[in-house]
Amino acid sequence: LAKTTQPISMDSYEGQEVNITCSHNNIATNDYITWYQQFPSQGPRFIIQGYKTKVTNEVASLFIPADRKSSTLSLPRVSLSDTAVYYCLVGAAGTGGFKTIFGAGTRLFVKA
Amino acid sequence: GAGVSQTPSNKVTEKGKYVELRCDPISGHTALYWYRQSLGQGPEFLIYFQGTGAADDSGLPNDRFFAVRPEGSVSTLKIQRTERGDSAVYLCASSPRDSSSGANVLTFGAGSRLTVL
Repeated sequence: LAKTTQPISMDSYEGQEVNITCSHNNIATNDYITWYQQFPSQGPRFIIQGYKTKVTNEVASLFIPADRKSSTLSLPRVSLSDTAVYYCLVGAAGTGGFKTIFGAGTRLFVKA
Repeated sequence: GAGVSQTPSNKVTEKGKYVELRCDPISGHTALYWYRQSLGQGPEFLIYFQGTGAADDSGLPNDRFFAVRPEGSVSTLKIQRTERGDSAVYLCASSPRDSSSGANVLTFGAGSRLTVL
């Protein structure tokens, strides 16, 4: 399973765009990149998943360069309620399943 | 059900006691995962079920921990002779059957907070 590296914490202000970058130098050909969000006293919640280039949904965008050795989660115009821990995961489903290993995540603090 | 349900939400026990934590996954989800999360840490993988069988139990820390899923839906995580170091939030997640491509997307429950005194 490819290891991921992401900043321990980030600060932002309401209304700003936040970009959280994750490094995954050993990503395998079959691996996808998945991001989860976790609020205190809750389980992680799926945000977005991608394989290459750019993926966008109603919550965030995910940018993946051609070499796929990193990815950037972009949160447009954050609000106080976006204060949470964000996890970057790399892996693939397939025979035998997918372990889904979490790292320490990035703690995002959004200030007023 | 609409989401993943975990009971109890809080459990306080004494060192050496036996504990069971229950997970009720989303209906139709064949994959079920257990994680353990300590304060300030990311979720730590414990075990993964595909249907009734444990497809990967490599995360169970020792033989005091055991999990079952006898009918392929509800799962129980069992901890024998609890120790203070077992105190954590135990998270359960489920997902649809393994996709042929992509990566499994997990839906988590709110967790069971275990405190061992």
